[in-house]
Amino acid sequence: GENVEQHPSTLSVQEGDSAVIKCTYSDSASNYFPWYKQELGKGPQLIIDIRSNVGEKKDQRIAVTLNKTAKHFSLHITETQPEDSAVYFCAASISNNDMRFGAGTRLTVKP
Amino acid sequence: GAVVSQHPSWVICKSGTSVKIECRSLDFQATTMFWYRQFPKQSLMLMATSNEGSKATYEQGVEKDKFLINHASLTLSTLTVTSAHPEDSSFYICSARGDRGVSPLHFGNGTRLTVT
Repeated sequence: GENVEQHPSTLSVQEGDSAVIKCTYSDSASNYFPWYKQELGKGPQLIIDIRSNVGEKKDQRIAVTLNKTAKHFSLHITETQPEDSAVYFCAASISNNDMRFGAGTRLTVKP
Repeated sequence: GAVVSQHPSWVICKSGTSVKIECRSLDFQATTMFWYRQFPKQSLMLMATSNEGSKATYEQGVEKDKFLINHASLTLSTLTVTSAHPEDSSFYICSARGDRGVSPLHFGNGTRLTVT
């Protein structure tokens, strides 16, 4: 089955800096890669997703890149703000079935 | 946007009692819903896939008789933790996706279960 690895497990940046979280997946058939943000005591919220027919997608300060050959995808957050502090999860699935999650990255943005 | 409502947000119960958690898709139909368990500072662990009108599919190692899942309508799935024990204390989260095309997965806000 699919195996998703996520790095780093913790990330601390200064407000205004960029943050990058990286994930790798094992199943070359995976074609859907969402990213979720989870704040303390809440459920994960979808922040951006990308499908395998696209190499990059951007939504304001958030961007995701996908390298199908290398089987890795990354989340980029620019101009970070304290409210970006949360746990971020990547995931991979085949057509939105059997979604597997990374272990999560705890991002802290210091004011 | 798609909203998944989970209730209750927290519950405290005594050992041996049963607890029911509800998961509703508020503005879309969801043939399939998912139940996860999350331990502190860990990722989401898929427990089971809830299918409307049929039996749930449980992940390996998850006791189906302990974690009863019912998906009686296209907008509601319930998870009942039967004969709860302190080791069942955890954060339980449900998710659902729309039935049309390839829809994103949307999560509820989770239920914090504490068994005393």
